[in-house]
Amino acid sequence: DTAVSQTPKYLVTQMGNDKSIKCEQNLGHDTMYWYKQDSKKFLKIMFSYNNKELIINETVPNRFSPKSPDKAHLNLHINSLELGDSAVYFCASSPMGTRGRETQYFGPGTRLLVL
Amino acid sequence: AQSVSQHNHHVILSEAASLELGCNYSYGGTVNLFWYVQYPGQHLQLLLKYFSGDPLVKGIKGFEAEFIKSKFSFNLRKPSVQWSDTAEYFCAVKRGGSQGNLIFGKGTKLSVKP
Repeated sequence: DTAVSQTPKYLVTQMGNDKSIKCEQNLGHDTMYWYKQDSKKFLKIMFSYNNKELIINETVPNRFSPKSPDKAHLNLHINSLELGDSAVYFCASSPMGTRGRETQYFGPGTRLLVL
Repeated sequence: AQSVSQHNHHVILSEAASLELGCNYSYGGTVNLFWYVQYPGQHLQLLLKYFSGDPLVKGIKGFEAEFIKSKFSFNLRKPSVQWSDTAEYFCAVKRGGSQGNLIFGKGTKLSVKP
């Protein structure tokens, strides 16, 4: 009954490979997000989807492509992985709040290591 | 551009000591403010949040934070820390009235010695 879940928890892969990380939320939220946390623990938004539509796309290489098959899922596909992609990727979700007051709930993270 | 500053990178305290972690933001308009905690190897959990009203907000696990608009600050406090409070603490700010980004500070690592 985990609210925001991600798979896999750990992902070790070689440079140049393509990989996907899956995220699911069972909170009935309308908006989902992907964040990247680097080795210095700095968290930065990558993408945000609202009801399956992209609403935020920060400066992220186009090797990263989010896909939202329905509003409960937001998957992250990464092509041609590079060493610098090694990080912890967090999925989050929030209800459709007003005046920016929606609280985001985070998943457990996926630790990606590119060798 | 909007930014969030957490001035303390690493704070080391003994159990029962009092804690105050600083957070300042740069946006001058209405803001919604959050503190998240990340225990070792775990995901971020919401500690507390401020939207409006009483500037002193209480969160889980005995934490509280005070919003001081004139200082653009939202400092986190706890009167007496425990070893189990060892974690990374993140301040985050979102502009009011928008679906914009939640901007995180770089985090403060708290180590509590037993």
